[in-house]
Amino acid sequence: AQTVTQSQPEMSVQEAETVTLSCTYDTSESDYYLFWYKQPPSRQMILVIRQEAYKQQNATENRFSVNFQKAAKSFSLKISDSQLGDAAMYFCAYSGGGADGLTFGKGTHLIIQP
Amino acid sequence: GAGVSQSPSNKVTEKGKDVELRCDPISGHTALYWYRQSLGQGLEFLIYFQGNSAPDKSGLPSDRFSAERTGGSVSTLTIQRTQQEDSAVYLCASSLGLAPRLYEQYFGPGTRLTVT
Repeated sequence: AQTVTQSQPEMSVQEAETVTLSCTYDTSESDYYLFWYKQPPSRQMILVIRQEAYKQQNATENRFSVNFQKAAKSFSLKISDSQLGDAAMYFCAYSGGGADGLTFGKGTHLIIQP
Repeated sequence: GAGVSQSPSNKVTEKGKDVELRCDPISGHTALYWYRQSLGQGLEFLIYFQGNSAPDKSGLPSDRFSAERTGGSVSTLTIQRTQQEDSAVYLCASSLGLAPRLYEQYFGPGTRLTVT
């Protein structure tokens, strides 16, 4: 079974600074996909960024980028120029080649200090 | 257009009662997923539907849980004889098709279930 581990229950960063959230995963599959989701207090999960395992290039979406290290099974999220609206729970998630649902990590609570 | 909606937003029930949680997916989305989010277990995938069919029900926590989808649209998650450990937020998501690698899942705001 696949597992996703987020070792940082909580992170704090000053507004406009850069923060990196860590995620590691375990899988025996070669074809898989990784995601970062944001969950604000409204509870609605929002997709931040996704990465296909077969792509060597790290995904980027505006201020959000990932550092995907396939051999190390590591998938960290970097948020640049942090904004107050970035405050939320962030979940790392895994999907294999099938149609099953996502496997999530326990989440990291990101606090933005004004 | 409208996003995924779930009702009720919050539900408090007594132990032993049955509850029904409803999910209205985005129009045209053929795939629908249910997840459970609890303090102890985190986010767990429960079941998915392709159309009205749920090929794999092994993710449901116990036989007290059941789910159905009718008309390829609305889905209902039913919990019979609720227990305190069922207290959680139940999230629903829909997507254009199966395979999360290809189709983004859009989540609803969830139903917070509290069993007293």
